[in-house]
Amino acid sequence: DIVMTQSPDSLAVSLGERATINCRSSQSLLYSSNNKNYLAWYQQKPGQPPKLLIYWASTRESGVPDRFSGSGSGTDFTLTISSLQAEDVAVYYCQQYYSTPFTFGPGTKVDIK
Amino acid sequence: QVQLQESGPGLVKPSETLSLTCTVSGASISGLYWSWIRQPPGKGLEWIGYIYYSGSTNYNPSLKSRVTISVDTSKNQFSLKLSSVTAADTAVYYCAKGGIAAVAGRMDVWGKGTTVTVSS
Repeated sequence: DIVMTQSPDSLAVSLGERATINCRSSQSLLYSSNNKNYLAWYQQKPGQPPKLLIYWASTRESGVPDRFSGSGSGTDFTLTISSLQAEDVAVYYCQQYYSTPFTFGPGTKVDIK
Repeated sequence: QVQLQESGPGLVKPSETLSLTCTVSGASISGLYWSWIRQPPGKGLEWIGYIYYSGSTNYNPSLKSRVTISVDTSKNQFSLKLSSVTAADTAVYYCAKGGIAAVAGRMDVWGKGTTVTVSS
């Protein structure tokens, strides 16, 4: 299985400031035939299902605000919230869809400082 | 828009079989992959398995011996059965829509989830 790790476990950021979450996979998620990273980011607010934010490591899902961005390749990835808003308080998960079993990181909780 | 709705008993006795159904609306179940994911209270997400509309399946090895996922294209539904449940199977169970084969695990629409408690 591909093991996904995230750091930090939690972070508190002032409104309008940048939040950065890191994700690492135990093996490369870059598929050589199409040069795409099989990495997604999800946002989960309390009592709600996860919501897809980013796929292919850096492509925003339709309707996702552009303050959310994803970067990275291979085994190291980053989710950045450029200017934290109150509605961004949530747990964020990275997930690999390179191979089964699909696996998620443990999550990073983002709060307001 | 595409919507998914989980249904099934919220309480299951230990050693019995958990059975859930996901009803898909706003899209045909055909041509795509459909997953079940669970989340124990206060914990992270675990992918249980997926099914293709044709009926082919792929299960998480950690649960494979106890899981069966099936599809009913006539009803636009897919279902989960998990046998010999214990308290460790207590979780919120989500169904989710994947993509075509290359992106089967990219889950872009999720149901609201249903809480299943295993207790006598």
